[in-house]
Amino acid sequence: GENVEQHPSTLSVQEGDSAVIKCTYSDSASNYFPWYKQELGKRPQLIIDIRSNVGEKKDQRIAVTLNKTAKHFSLHITETQPEDSAVYFCAATLSGNTPLVFGKGTRLSVIA
Amino acid sequence: DGGITQSPKYLFRKEGQNVTLSCEQNLNHDAMYWYRQDPGQGLRLIYYSQIVNDFQKGDIAEGYSVSREKKESFPLTVTSAQKNPTAFYLCASSRGQSNQPQHFGDGTRLSIL
Repeated sequence: GENVEQHPSTLSVQEGDSAVIKCTYSDSASNYFPWYKQELGKRPQLIIDIRSNVGEKKDQRIAVTLNKTAKHFSLHITETQPEDSAVYFCAATLSGNTPLVFGKGTRLSVIA
Repeated sequence: DGGITQSPKYLFRKEGQNVTLSCEQNLNHDAMYWYRQDPGQGLRLIYYSQIVNDFQKGDIAEGYSVSREKKESFPLTVTSAQKNPTAFYLCASSRGQSNQPQHFGDGTRLSIL
């Protein structure tokens, strides 16, 4: 089955700097890669996702890149703000009939 | 998302007791999921259901049971066989298949008395 590794487990950045979180997956047939943000005590919320037919997707300060050859995908947050502080989870799935497999999460702290 | 309601928010279980966590959605989603969240462990899948009256085990199904009698509802029972039930439980739903965005409820925090 699919296995998703996420790094780093914790990340601290200064406000205004960029943050990058990387995930690797094991099954080259995986085709859907979402990213979720979970603020303390709240539900995870989808912030961006990418499918295997696209190499990059951007939404304002957030972008995701996918390297199918290397089997990794990354979340990029530019101009970080204190409200970006949260735990971020990546996930991957082989197909619609296969459940999402989540990484273990990255705790991002943005220091003002 | 207001479309998924989990209850209760906090739940306490005594030794040897079964407890049931409720999850209701009004998003008309076909698929529903239960995850367990422990510190540093991410989200681990307990059970999922893609259609009514059908469900599959996830990675950590032992000690748990579910039912899917209605499209809107997917209750999770934590049985006495689950020896370490203290965790945060999240329910989610998606439109059809797992390669669609999942929407989560607010979660239930279960503790042992």
